Amino acid sequence: GDSVTQMEGPVTLSEEAFLTINCTYTATGYPSLFWYVQYPGEGLQLLLKATKADDKGSNKGFEATYRKETTSFHLEKGSVQVSDSAVYFCALVLNTGGFKTIFGAGTRLFVKA
Amino acid sequence: KAGVTQTPRYLIKTRGQQVTLSCSPISGHRSVSWYQQTPGQGLQFLFEYFSETQRNKGNFPGRFSGRQFSNSRSEMNVSTLELGDSALYLCASSLEPGNNSPLHFGNGTRLTVT
Repeated sequence: GDSVTQMEGPVTLSEEAFLTINCTYTATGYPSLFWYVQYPGEGLQLLLKATKADDKGSNKGFEATYRKETTSFHLEKGSVQVSDSAVYFCALVLNTGGFKTIFGAGTRLFVKA
Repeated sequence: KAGVTQTPRYLIKTRGQQVTLSCSPISGHRSVSWYQQTPGQGLQFLFEYFSETQRNKGNFPGRFSGRQFSNSRSEMNVSTLELGDSALYLCASSLEPGNNSPLHFGNGTRLTVT
């Protein structure tokens, strides 16, 4: 069935380190791909999205490229900050008559000063 | 602009009871979807509503139901509660269904079943 697989956390990095959080998906059809972020004590919010193959989504220094050939949407940031500590969720949206969003399990990121 | 509002924030119920959760979407948003978040299963899709119609449903038993009103507000009901229903229930709204309308989430209702 349709699914999203993310790398398990927690991921612990020092400030200014490079971040990659892997995300791969299985889907029938052509989904749109999203990254959502949940900061401590807050609700989920959209970080970035890509709606078709080879699209690159970017926001707040984060980037992810929709790779159809590898069914991946890895999240990257060149230099993380302590304020980036949060849980990151990869998600896909499918049109199955109605729209359904399928989330990955989430990856917790800790950034140390 | 007010965000997505979910009430109540916390709820404690006993097995066998039923519960109703409420969600008020962002003004102008007509699509509402519900998710169950647990440490073991992550975020699981429950249902999606648009124009008072359930457009899609996840793999949950019939004890889980919902509805949407003409003002786009939505309620979710769980009957005959089980211990495993303890979770954070999240509501999200979007302008309309579709892959170009990102979800805006509320802070959730944390349900504890004892």
